[in-house]
Amino acid sequence: ETGVTQTPRHLVMGMTNKKSLKCEQHLGHNAMYWYKQSAKKPLELMFVYNFKEQTENNSVPSRFSPECPNSSHLFLHLHTLQPEDSALYLCASSQPQGDNSPLHFGNGTRLTVT
Amino acid sequence: DAKTTQPNSMESNEEEPVHLPCNHSTISGTDYIHWYRQLPSQGPEYVIHGLTSNVNNRMASLAIAEDRKSSTLILHRATLRDAAVYYCILKNQAGTALIFGKGTTLSVSS
Repeated sequence: ETGVTQTPRHLVMGMTNKKSLKCEQHLGHNAMYWYKQSAKKPLELMFVYNFKEQTENNSVPSRFSPECPNSSHLFLHLHTLQPEDSALYLCASSQPQGDNSPLHFGNGTRLTVT
Repeated sequence: DAKTTQPNSMESNEEEPVHLPCNHSTISGTDYIHWYRQLPSQGPEYVIHGLTSNVNNRMASLAIAEDRKSSTLILHRATLRDAAVYYCILKNQAGTALIFGKGTTLSVSS
């Protein structure tokens, strides 16, 4: 148990669907992150939120839309995805960015786009 | 953030020590050295981090070279559960989020 919970664990969606990934942490952290991990590639940073404000967008296509309603919850809204978007999507949280405290990761959502 | 270089893979036997090297020749004075590992089908897990002095915790030890251009993660007695991808990452305290490389895939045999 990492303290960061991601749902669903697995998701299969068609290219015309709209779905959302959810991340929740109750560790008292104020920074939350989305990473993407494609097969045989390093983790890629997608978005960073500090105190509910987006502080980094790593040139992510607009078909991925993050939302951070409070410091404990982070969503990734998905629409009109492509098959190459199939990957493991990982959420993490930490003390505010700029601190050297560790990141705590969830176990990810395995997304398959058909 | 400065770049790190790690071997693609390493092998170890159970109950033997494992030394995982990392080179970071362009490290700056304010870069911290972080280590994470990722077990199969899980998200990455924090292992240890340090700045200049060697560090120990319940999971591992971190040995940092005097010139800080390299470091070594030491697992004192490898177990089968230590088989994972180990990532060495440099992070400036005021910098962006962690940027992961390819890491070292550690295999442990019984």
